[in-house]
Amino acid sequence: DVKVTQSSRYLVKRTGEKVFLECVQDMDHENMFWYRQDPGLGLRLIYFSYDVKMKEKGDIPEGYSVSREKKERFSLILESASTNQTSMYLCASSLGWLAGTYEQYFGPGTRLTVT
Amino acid sequence: SQQGEEDPQALSIQEGENATMNCSYKTSINNLQWYRQNSGRGLVHLILIRSNEREKHSGRLRVTLDTSKKSSSLLITASRAADTASYFCATDAKETSGSRLTFGEGTQLTVNP
Repeated sequence: DVKVTQSSRYLVKRTGEKVFLECVQDMDHENMFWYRQDPGLGLRLIYFSYDVKMKEKGDIPEGYSVSREKKERFSLILESASTNQTSMYLCASSLGWLAGTYEQYFGPGTRLTVT
Repeated sequence: SQQGEEDPQALSIQEGENATMNCSYKTSINNLQWYRQNSGRGLVHLILIRSNEREKHSGRLRVTLDTSKKSSSLLITASRAADTASYFCATDAKETSGSRLTFGEGTQLTVNP
């Protein structure tokens, strides 16, 4: 089974802190994704990556950056955390489009609170 | 912007009844997927239907797709209390690349024992 793990289930940070959220997948997937989930808004894509060192902006990249130095690891960085970044953060991975399968595998989520 | 929109937003039924959730989307798609999320957890993939398919079954799940109406439905038959969860549709749009998906806002299903 594909396993996607996230570094923390719950995280509390202060406004202005730099925050790192880590995601690791163990199935050699090419694609990795970061979403945030808020009540009434569903899942919104922040950034995604097709390959090592590759990244593309999603729908709401402002205030975030990402890093993918190794294929299995995709990090989301909040450069200066703000209260409006309090949310559930979900990481996902999937095989590349050449594989012909498109389902995404999700981690358990990190609930981040910024105070 | 959110392409998929689920309807209803919330659904409450008794165990043994069928549950139907609908999803509408705006652009041409390669495929449409349904996911389930238990409270406070990550999403789990349920079923994928390709744009050239009209109906697909998996166990107690039945998915239909009408590309002319840009809509899909998920039917869960003989529901169980354990089916209580949020259900999301997600579209893989032709206009985007890299297998990215656009998720709807979800339907919260409650199955009462």
